[in-house]
Amino acid sequence: QVQLVQSGAELKKPGASVKISCKASNYTLTMYGITWVRQAPGQGLEWMGWISGYNGKTDYAQKFEGRVTMTTDTSTRTASMELRSLRSDDTAVYYCAKSDYYDTSGYYAYWGQGTLVSVSS
Amino acid sequence: SSDLTQPPSVSVSPGQTATITCSGDKLRNKYVSWYQQKPGQSPVLVMFHDTKRPSGIPARFSGSNSGNTATLTISGTQAMDEADYHCQAWDSSTASMFGGGTKLTVL
Repeated sequence: QVQLVQSGAELKKPGASVKISCKASNYTLTMYGITWVRQAPGQGLEWMGWISGYNGKTDYAQKFEGRVTMTTDTSTRTASMELRSLRSDDTAVYYCAKSDYYDTSGYYAYWGQGTLVSVSS
Repeated sequence: SSDLTQPPSVSVSPGQTATITCSGDKLRNKYVSWYQQKPGQSPVLVMFHDTKRPSGIPARFSGSNSGNTATLTISGTQAMDEADYHCQAWDSSTASMFGGGTKLTVL
């Protein structure tokens, strides 16, 4: 069974950076993409961006351009998402999800358990 | 705000049909997926490619996409279907988007 296991909760101060990892198992990371989605408290899902496990191509939502970096490490089967210059409104649960294609974001049949990032002074 | 518009809430009586809409410009030219999310849990895919049900999703869930509106229909709604439902649209470009989500109440 495909599994995505994310790193644990983080508490950060405004202006800091956070890096969340997402370890994939029971499928070949290079054949699919990983999408990152976040959900602020009581809010809907927000698409942040996507990275191809095949060639590392990325596509970030315009809102996060310049502040986010998504990477994959095929040797450890781990995807990561770094968000910089954190603000209080970045407080959210961050999810990684397996894209069903290697060349586009597509849809997401498998999700990580979520990582709570709290930003507070 | 989102480029996909969903009603914030929908209420349905048990056994009746629930209809949740998702509207966006030229949505018919995109693929629409739907996710069910219960409190404290990760989203679960319940519909993809507009009308396809993943394995394990009951047949009472169905989908459609026409014009500028996609619809998730739950026939014979059960108490266990009470959840938030999120639509998602994507096409051959790599970017994607979600709707604002709809809280389905079964009462």
